[in-house]
Amino acid sequence: SQTIHQWPATLVQPVGSPLSLECTVEGTSNPNLYWYRQAAGRGLQLLFYSIGIDQISSEVPQNLSASRPQDRQFILSSKKLLLSDSGFYLCAWSARRTGELFFGEGSRLTVL
Amino acid sequence: DQQVKQNSPSLSVQEGRISILNCDYTNSMFDYFLWYKKYPAEGPTFLISISSIKDKNEDGRFTVFLNKSAKHLSLHIVPSQPGDSAVYFCAASWDDKIIFGKGTRLHILP
Repeated sequence: SQTIHQWPATLVQPVGSPLSLECTVEGTSNPNLYWYRQAAGRGLQLLFYSIGIDQISSEVPQNLSASRPQDRQFILSSKKLLLSDSGFYLCAWSARRTGELFFGEGSRLTVL
Repeated sequence: DQQVKQNSPSLSVQEGRISILNCDYTNSMFDYFLWYKKYPAEGPTFLISISSIKDKNEDGRFTVFLNKSAKHLSLHIVPSQPGDSAVYFCAASWDDKIIFGKGTRLHILP
């Protein structure tokens, strides 16, 4: 069966520090991978999605970046965090274009 | 530019009655529409979907209706149960992209 894991689960970082959130999927190959952020009052905002290794699409201009160094690994990064980067970050995968997503457990980021 | 809109931030429904959650969209290119349920501090879980070529899909207590001319879809839950209390997200997919609305918090009252 397929599983998805992301870590760390909770992160408290000072403004200006770097960020790395990692997500891995097991039990499937060539999945579509997604990063979403849930901020207060903003719902689930699509940040990045990837249909293959090194194929990343960015949806929202910001100081975040994403990379997909391996087929089932998706990394969300920042060189310098802003206060507005605080939120609940969710990684997800999909095997089809029908939109059925399977989400990880989420990572709560607080920037102070 | 919000392509998927859920205009009701919250909804309260008596247990046993019907819950109707609404969603509007603007992009005619969307080919699938989905509903997800989310509890606090967890990832959303998939509930039900509908292809853009259909107008209704039913799965147990959950039914999704699609009105393409109005660019509107709704999720009906009947009968509503206490465990249905959660945030419900409407989502739409097109070209590998999946866009979510802001969500509606559903409270099921005893």
